[in-house]
Amino acid sequence: QKEVEQNSGPLSVPEGAIASLNCTYSDRGSQSFFWYRQYSGKSPELIMFIYSNGDKEDGRFTAQLNKASQYVSLLIRDSQPSDSATYLCAVNFGNEKLTFGTGTRLTIIP
Amino acid sequence: DTGVSQNPRHKITKRGQNVTFRCDPISEHNRLYWYRQTLGQGPEFLTYFQNEAQLEKSRLLSDRFSAERPKGSFSTLEIQRTEQGDSAMYLCASSLVAGGDYGYTFGSGTRLTVV
Repeated sequence: QKEVEQNSGPLSVPEGAIASLNCTYSDRGSQSFFWYRQYSGKSPELIMFIYSNGDKEDGRFTAQLNKASQYVSLLIRDSQPSDSATYLCAVNFGNEKLTFGTGTRLTIIP
Repeated sequence: DTGVSQNPRHKITKRGQNVTFRCDPISEHNRLYWYRQTLGQGPEFLTYFQNEAQLEKSRLLSDRFSAERPKGSFSTLEIQRTEQGDSAMYLCASSLVAGGDYGYTFGSGTRLTVV
């Protein structure tokens, strides 16, 4: 059973601080990794994907991948109240479909 | 390009009734995916199409569920003899290339409530 694990939270972070979201996955051979943001009652929105070990930055977002540790994380710098949402980690285990974690609920405190 | 469109947005049905949902993908996307999401969970894969061919179905997709994509354009997901456990958000996504490589664009979803 190929699994994606996330801490469900809630994670509370003060406005302007760095939010750190973590995800582990079960298959060392996995190739591509995704972070989706989901606001309450809305559908998931792709915010980042990463394939290679190391960091990938896009604006205030940084995805970090460590394949040896089977660990992927998302950092959000200068957190804003509009970043309050559930963040879903998803992994491609080698086929067309993505396997999602249960999500981490993030709350940014003004 | 108006994104992935799903209809209806909400559906309330009585247990035992049949329901059908529609998904219109982004026009040039040849891959179309159906997922189901229940409260507090991540989306779970149901099935996917490449053009009109249904290439994979999850074990979650019991024989009460059927999906079609005639002519490789829009897709329908039908649930027969609905049960309360079918209450969920049904999400459709599309992609131009293998969605496992670059991720999907999801539609707004259809929220099903079975009473």
